[in-house]
Amino acid sequence: QVQLQESGPGLVKPSQTLSLTCTVSGGSITSGSYYWSWIRQPAGKGLEWIGRIFTSGNTNYNPSLKSRVTISLDTSKNQFSLKLSSVTAADTAVYYCARNLYGRTFDYWGQGTLVTVSS
Amino acid sequence: QSALTQPASVSGSPGQSITISCTGTSSDVGGYNYVSWYQQHPGKAPKLMIYDVSNRPSGVSNRFSGSKSGNTASLTISGLQAEDEADYYCSSYTSSSTLLFGGGTKLTVL
Repeated sequence: QVQLQESGPGLVKPSQTLSLTCTVSGGSITSGSYYWSWIRQPAGKGLEWIGRIFTSGNTNYNPSLKSRVTISLDTSKNQFSLKLSSVTAADTAVYYCARNLYGRTFDYWGQGTLVTVSS
Repeated sequence: QSALTQPASVSGSPGQSITISCTGTSSDVGGYNYVSWYQQHPGKAPKLMIYDVSNRPSGVSNRFSGSKSGNTASLTISGLQAEDEADYYCSSYTSSSTLLFGGGTKLTVL
């Protein structure tokens, strides 16, 4: 059974960079035709796809966030990471990592981690 | 890219059927059979209920079904149960190789 777990600071100051890591267990991050995605959800609002990375290292990003987002893989640790630069209060949200099966659906999700942007 | 359009809320009584729509464009919903539906209970992570328009993952009740016509996909829940009360989100693959979610629909079981 694949499991995903987000980790990282719960509080980030405005203008700084938000950094989160997703640890995958129950399977290798490099096996299969999987993408690995980040998704966020502001309190009381809907889901927003941030971006994804394939096992080859290829990435796709949400056009509205592309200039500020970097997603990377660490195959030695079976992890993938999110960096979001120049954050503002609007980036306050629960951040989820998820497995993107065949590149088109999210079949496994982490439990989510709340990141608050505040000074 | 704008979010896919879903009704903000739907409701139904136990035992009844409800349908939630998800409208996009020919560049997403209408262009691919890659629409998924997720159920989210308060404080929990979303759960995949339907993928590729009409396929159910193992373990998902057959009371949940999906379909698509043109640029609109639909999720139908039959035999409504109290436990079905949750938020529901659709998602679609897009022609830009990105993923797009709907705004979400709150289902109330009366």
